[in-house]
Order: sequence, then C-alpha cells, then structure tokens
Amino acid sequence: EAGVTQSPTHLIKTRGQQATLRCSPISGHTSVYWYQQALGLGLQFLLWYDEGEERNRGNFPPRFSGRQFPNYSSELNVNALELEDSALYLCASSHQQGVGTDTQYFGPGTRLTVL
Amino acid sequence: GNSVTQMEGPVTLSEEAFLTINCTYTATGYPSLFWYVQYPGEGLQLLLKATKADDKGSNKGFEATYRKETTSFHLEKGSVQVSDSAVYFCALSGDSGAGSYQLTFGKGTKLSVIP
Repeated sequence: EAGVTQSPTHLIKTRGQQATLRCSPISGHTSVYWYQQALGLGLQFLLWYDEGEERNRGNFPPRFSGRQFPNYSSELNVNALELEDSALYLCASSHQQGVGTDTQYFGPGTRLTVL
Repeated sequence: GNSVTQMEGPVTLSEEAFLTINCTYTATGYPSLFWYVQYPGEGLQLLLKATKADDKGSNKGFEATYRKETTSFHLEKGSVQVSDSAVYFCALSGDSGAGSYQLTFGKGTKLSVIP
C-alpha cells in the first residue's frame, strides 16, 4: 500500500512570492492534516481538511490556505512568503475522525526555503 | 488546551544501553497517545500508540504505557542500537474543540547512539 506522498521535495522561493505544496493521502483516507516544522518552533498544526472542507486551522495567518480535491489530495498555498516561513511542511492523512482509527500517517515533507 | 511536555535532549547513549524518554501530557477527556520517530532528512514515522488507559504500545523493541493517573507515556527500550539514532516525538490526539483531532507534539528528543 502506498504511503502519503508529497511534492515537491524541495522548494526555493523569494520573499513575497507564493508557494504551492501538494499532498496525496493513503488510499481510503479522507482526512488530510498539514503541519509546519520550523527550526526552534517544533511541530505546529496548520490546517485540517476532511471530505473537501476545511475543518480547523491552527494559529497561522490567512496567507496560509489550502484546499482538498474530490480525490482527497490536498494543496497548501502560502502567499506573500516571509523569511520565517522557511520550514519543513509535513502532510498527514487518516481515516475520517470518529470512524475507525485516528492514527495519522505522515509523508516525507516538503522543505520550503525562502530567500 | 492540550499540551505535551517531553524530556529534551540531546541524549547520547552507548550501544546496548537502556533508554527512557519521559513524556507527560495535559488534555481533557481521553486522548490517544503516540510516539513518532524522525530520521535525518525524513518525515515522521509512527513508532507506537496507545488509545486508552493502561494500554501498552510496542514496536521494534520500544514500549510505552498509557498512565492516566500520572498523565504520562514514557518511551523505553532495553537495548538501543546505532540505528535507533533519530529524533523522537511524543504526541497526543484528543478533541481540541469542534471535533478536531490534530496532533499536539512535544518538542522532540534527539537520541544519538554510539558504538
């Protein structure tokens, strides 16, 4: 069974640009979570999508947004990039919350560098 | 809100030494508890989990017991190997409001095992 996949592996942008990160969940999983792992800040929850809807977001500004497609894959968009957005962005998927297991399985991440 | 306090490293052990990484949590209700491991340059891998009090999660020689009375989920391994060198994250998944089950992570413990 294929795991969670993310693309691209690395992304280099300059301040003010926009970045788009992609995630494909494990087959059968409908929930997708995004986390940011920035140096010195640990792992922080960004966004949760389930059944195509944004269900919850962490303490991040509105320039962090995304969507979930009918096939449950997801996109994270970061607008007006700032230097402090440089981080590893991790995507995780799980079965729909409240149904079956609540274990989240992670992808390898996208390393975003903002210059 | 939910929080996880994890023993911070780095921790350096000799091969075959005993490992303990302490983890305590604060949460309402009955969260699920997890240990994830991150090898250099990679995403997070689920190491083990426990979903209710007194459950013991185990995998690859690692163990952790869900102790509700002490709100703890300490990770142990009887004999570490060089290949266990990685960063270990304790995490919980519990209703953080609006039925949202994003993971709350500890800050991570870097383990280095020397031959």
